[in-house]
Amino acid sequence: SQTIHQWPATLVQPVGSPLSLECTVEGTSNPNLYWYRQAAGRGLQLLFYSVGIGQISSEVPQNLSASRPQDRQFILSSKKLLLSDSGFYLCAWSVGRGWDMNTEAFFGQGTRLTVV
Amino acid sequence: AQKVTQAQTEISVVEKEDVTLDCVYETRDTTYYLFWYKQPPSGELVFLIRRNSFDEQNEISGRYSWNFQKSTSSFNFTITASQVVDSAVYFCALISSGSRLTFGEGTQLTVNP
Repeated sequence: SQTIHQWPATLVQPVGSPLSLECTVEGTSNPNLYWYRQAAGRGLQLLFYSVGIGQISSEVPQNLSASRPQDRQFILSSKKLLLSDSGFYLCAWSVGRGWDMNTEAFFGQGTRLTVV
Repeated sequence: AQKVTQAQTEISVVEKEDVTLDCVYETRDTTYYLFWYKQPPSGELVFLIRRNSFDEQNEISGRYSWNFQKSTSSFNFTITASQVVDSAVYFCALISSGSRLTFGEGTQLTVNP
């Protein structure tokens, strides 16, 4: 069966410090991978998505970057965190392309990031 | 471009009332899937339902039902006889052949005893 791992669950970081959140998927190949952010009391904002190794699409210009060094690994990074980067970060995956598209997206448990 | 709109930011009902959460979507693709997810206070996203663009049959699952209408680009979600445990944020989402999973802003549902 497929599973998705996202860590850490919670993180408190000072302004200006770097960030690295990792997400890995098991039990599937060539998934579409996503990073979402949810600010307090707001909706889900798509930050990045990837359809393959090294292929990253950025939805919102910001202080963050994403990388996909392996097929089932998706990393969210920042060189210098801002206060506005605080939020709940969710990794997700789905499979399929176009007509062969799968019908469900699966989410990790999320990382609650507080920048102080 | 694709977009999902959930116009209702917050809804508050009393237990046992029926409640409908609205979702309107936009996409240029003819093949797409629509989803509803529930996010309880603990934060994780719980999958509720998917519907593909070629299947306009409405669906009922226990107290939950979904009304998909392509003519109005809507995929509304109704909870019958609501319960306190239904209190959560509910998200409508869309994925199309471009592989982008797009969410609406969410609707905060509060069911009061």
